[in-house]
Amino acid sequence: GDKVKQSPSALSLQEGTNSALRCNFSIAATTVQWFLQNPRGSLMNLFYLVPGTKENGRLKSAFDSKESYSTLHIRDAQLEDSGTYFCAAAHSNTNKVVFGTGTRLQVLP
Amino acid sequence: GGIITQTPKFLIGQEGQKLTLKCQQNFNHDTMYWYRQDSGKGLRLIYYSITENDLQKGDLSEGYDASREKKSSFSLTVTSAQKNEMAVFLCASSISNYAEQFFGPGTRLTVL
Repeated sequence: GDKVKQSPSALSLQEGTNSALRCNFSIAATTVQWFLQNPRGSLMNLFYLVPGTKENGRLKSAFDSKESYSTLHIRDAQLEDSGTYFCAAAHSNTNKVVFGTGTRLQVLP
Repeated sequence: GGIITQTPKFLIGQEGQKLTLKCQQNFNHDTMYWYRQDSGKGLRLIYYSITENDLQKGDLSEGYDASREKKSSFSLTVTSAQKNEMAVFLCASSISNYAEQFFGPGTRLTVL
């Protein structure tokens, strides 16, 4: 089964609203990365986390290694936030990074 | 800062053909990776190289070869292109094996 599950798989938001994306792991993870893939396919780095939280502008992310999940909160969503969000977890035994299946976000005007 | 370049941007090949994709990074990172992304899906690891002269198989290595020619470059070869292989191939690098990864723009492969 999927080692890294993202939810929801797709989401539409009105501009200016808030949302949370979630990543659940069935592996023991040491670090988590969050990326935004734009419609042209480029992957932008959003966060690189050890257990704890980070904030950058309208984005905030948390990683709880004991409960095996990570979240990405988007505040005051803007049109340019549209794209596919991926989380990726580094397996504590192998250090191999496993990607989730993505959350497709559309921000509507 | 640094940059990762992938060539070519688009690659069109014939079924059965051997095809090579190239990746260069100027971050001076030790570790480099090749991933495959099928349309609408997540990324799957093909090969990675922890340091120069190292090569490790990922989950999807069958049908591929890789070569770490020097610290800054990592090539991927599709040994015999198949039609179900049409995908975007993404190269990444990180300062070390478990560190933050940075991605190139991708090579889109089409097999006729």
